[in-house]
Amino acid sequence: SQQGEEDPQALSIQEGENATMNCSYKTSINNLQWYRQNSGRGLVHLILIRSNEREKHSGRLRVTLDTSKKSSSLLITASRAADTASYFCATVSNDYKLSFGAGTTVTVRA
Amino acid sequence: DAGITQSPRHKVTETGTPVTLRCHQTENHRYMYWYRQDPGHGLRLIHYSYGVKDTDKGEVSDGYSVSRSKTEDFLLTLESATSSQTSVYFCAISEETSEQYFGPGTRLTVT
Repeated sequence: SQQGEEDPQALSIQEGENATMNCSYKTSINNLQWYRQNSGRGLVHLILIRSNEREKHSGRLRVTLDTSKKSSSLLITASRAADTASYFCATVSNDYKLSFGAGTTVTVRA
Repeated sequence: DAGITQSPRHKVTETGTPVTLRCHQTENHRYMYWYRQDPGHGLRLIHYSYGVKDTDKGEVSDGYSVSRSKTEDFLLTLESATSSQTSVYFCAISEETSEQYFGPGTRLTVT
């Protein structure tokens, strides 16, 4: 069964606005990763946050992790049309397997 | 893109026929994975490999087998394809618990 669940399932925002999506999971993890998938393409790794980290930044991306609540959030600041994609969280257990959620579809309107 | 290729990229086959999908990497990564992606389900792990000849099942392994005789190649076989195996199949590679790099995908249709 899937470990991570994203919320919301879909998000529509205006260019320049921030987009926030959340991920909840059920069991203990080694790390949590976020991926982006453009329509018809493979997944692209965005950011990895380890279980002993609370926050990480990469460019316009900010990821938080709260292991006590078993949740993570991905914030995309100053969104652009090119950010239109599906975003997936994936939890990694100590057996190196990723468990993906169903994803959040983000549409950035010009 | 990381050095991962998948072949074929598209395939249409009939129910009951065997199908083999190939994943090839040039990164010398130890771990290789096969996923399927269906609407509403995200990606689900079929099988993975942690070394040559070392493989294990994922959450949706029924009806699939894999083989890895060389570091660079990971084969996924549908022994007798069914319509429920119509999906997009992705291969990925990684080093231990680090990020995974995904191939471009294979769209398989079973009629």
